[in-house]
Amino acid sequence: EVQLLESGGGLIQPGGSLRLSCAASGFTFSSYTMNWVRQAPGKGLEWVSAISAGGGSTHYADSVKGRFTISRDDSKNTLHLQMNSLRAEDTALYYCAKDVPTWGSAFDIWGRGTMVTVSS
Amino acid sequence: DIQMTQFPSTLSASVGDRVTITCRASQSISGWLAWYQQKPGKAPKLLIYEASNLESGVPSRFSGSGSGTDFTLTISSLQPDDFATYYCQQYNSYSLTFGGGTKVEIK
Repeated sequence: EVQLLESGGGLIQPGGSLRLSCAASGFTFSSYTMNWVRQAPGKGLEWVSAISAGGGSTHYADSVKGRFTISRDDSKNTLHLQMNSLRAEDTALYYCAKDVPTWGSAFDIWGRGTMVTVSS
Repeated sequence: DIQMTQFPSTLSASVGDRVTITCRASQSISGWLAWYQQKPGKAPKLLIYEASNLESGVPSRFSGSGSGTDFTLTISSLQPDDFATYYCQQYNSYSLTFGGGTKVEIK
């Protein structure tokens, strides 16, 4: 079964750091661009970051650029998001999502998400 | 960044109705548009990619059309399972962006 399972969320104070992980199974992880997408409580979807197959190219939303770092470990089929200098507005459910097999970044597989709450 | 404007934000409809949701891009995105369905407490589900391609396993009552800046998602005959929030997303260029969502409610 194709599956993505996020972990690492929690309650963190403003200015703190957190590292999210996403464990992939059921597909050839190393062949796909992977993404993080977040959703603040009661709000819409916001794409956060992407990393290409092989890890040679990364992209970030302006709202997280310079604070978040995406990475992948293809030997462990795992995607990571290192989040530093966290702000209240980073509070959200964070999903990892896989690109479709065809060209482009539509997302055909999503995890269940991990909740990040930034509050003092 | 490319802005995606979705309308209406809320739509009230009955089972059996034909429903159309519109998404407009602030600049041309060719056909690089996806549609998702999200139910409360669940992850989004891909319905349509490349503007008009139906994702495997998605019922044929869903269809997508458009290119350039104007796109539509149509549900030909609304079913009870279709009451949800729908999002469009452009992937013509980074930063990838989503529309604000359309909540389809029971009339």
